[in-house]
Amino acid sequence: DVKVTQSSRYLVKRTGEKVFLECVQDMDHENMFWYRQDPGLGLRLIYFSYDVKMKEKGDIPEGYSVSREKKERFSLILESASTNQTSMYLCASNSARTESSYNSPLHFGNGTRLTVT
Amino acid sequence: AQSVTQPDIHITVSEGASLELRCNYSYGATPYLFWYVQSPGQGLQLLLKYFSGDTLVQGIKGFEAEFKRSQSSFNLRKPSVHWSDAAEYFCAVVPLGGYNKLIFGAGTRLAVHP
Repeated sequence: DVKVTQSSRYLVKRTGEKVFLECVQDMDHENMFWYRQDPGLGLRLIYFSYDVKMKEKGDIPEGYSVSREKKERFSLILESASTNQTSMYLCASNSARTESSYNSPLHFGNGTRLTVT
Repeated sequence: AQSVTQPDIHITVSEGASLELRCNYSYGATPYLFWYVQSPGQGLQLLLKYFSGDTLVQGIKGFEAEFKRSQSSFNLRKPSVHWSDAAEYFCAVVPLGGYNKLIFGAGTRLAVHP
């Protein structure tokens, strides 16, 4: 069974801190994604990566960066946390080796609820 | 503007009643369409998807969805709801040429009365 593990379930940080959110998947998936989830807004894509050291901006990349040094790990970085980054963060992955990536469902982690005070 | 709309923020049904959750999209061409479910404290799980072909799609947990091109809709249905179906449901699309970038609706939170 595919497992996407997010290192922290809850995180509380102060404004201006550098924050790392870690995500690891165990299915050798090429694609990995970071979303943030806010009430009334659904999920919005922050960044995604389709290979080691490759990344592309999603819809709301401002204030975030990512790192993918190993295939199984995808990190989301808040360089200087702000209160408007208080949210639920969801990591996901899927395979690019099927006939079409659309046929490979996204597998989600359980989320990290980040509070910035 | 391109968007995915779930008009109902909250829905409450009685256990055993039928359910329909609405989803509309606005894109020039028919995108790929998905429904995901998020149980409390969990990540999202894929219920079903539509790419082409038969417009009535069967999914897991007894759910189905019907694609209606004329209405730009992809509504989720279940004939008899169970208490364990209480969760948040998200409609999502991948626009043609959108690679893997799922665009989600705002979600519908379902409550089930015993």
